[in-house]
Amino acid sequence: GESVGLHLPTLSVQEGDNSIINCAYSNSASDYFIWYKQESGKGPQFIIDIRSNMDKRQGQRVTVLLNKTVKHLSLQIAATQPGDSAVYFCAEVRLSGSARQLTFGSGTQLTVLP
Amino acid sequence: DAMVIQNPRYQVTQFGKPVTLSCSQTLNHNVMYWYQQKSSQAPKLLFHYYDKDFNNEADTPDNFQSRRPNTSFCFLDIRSPGLGDAAMYLCATSREDGSLNTIGETQYFGPGTRLLVL
Repeated sequence: GESVGLHLPTLSVQEGDNSIINCAYSNSASDYFIWYKQESGKGPQFIIDIRSNMDKRQGQRVTVLLNKTVKHLSLQIAATQPGDSAVYFCAEVRLSGSARQLTFGSGTQLTVLP
Repeated sequence: DAMVIQNPRYQVTQFGKPVTLSCSQTLNHNVMYWYQQKSSQAPKLLFHYYDKDFNNEADTPDNFQSRRPNTSFCFLDIRSPGLGDAAMYLCATSREDGSLNTIGETQYFGPGTRLLVL
């Protein structure tokens, strides 16, 4: 069946280091992918997205890489800060009927160490 | 300014006692979604409204219903809450035209309502 999964449930990094969060997906028909950040007790917050016809996209301190050959997605956070501590979800987006539907991966807890 | 508002933020109900969660939006988006998120899990879509058209996910239990009286408001009704329904319930909205011409931050999430079932 279709699924979006993450390799690691937890990730700890030193403040100032770079973080890499990985995600595997199985539905090659996905139209694009989104990374969300969710802090404790809050709703998911959009970070960055990437269309399925791209292999790299950069934002402020974040880069998303897409490898369609192996169906792998990653989020790189440069110079990780304490405020980056959160759960990160990748989500696959498809048009279902008239609305886009998100299928979330299982999440990675990022902890930034002082 | 809050764009997707969920009330209450915390809700306690008793086993089997009907409960309603509410969501409102100031974005005038035509699509509203309800997700269930259990502890340490990803959000799971329950259903969505495209304008007034209700779209239920195949595996959403009958115990969960929804109402959308107007563009701005959407309610989640749990007819007979069980202990397994304790979760965070997230509302989201988006503006859809049936295409994927626009991407980016298209689906806006509210802060969620945490439901506790005693």
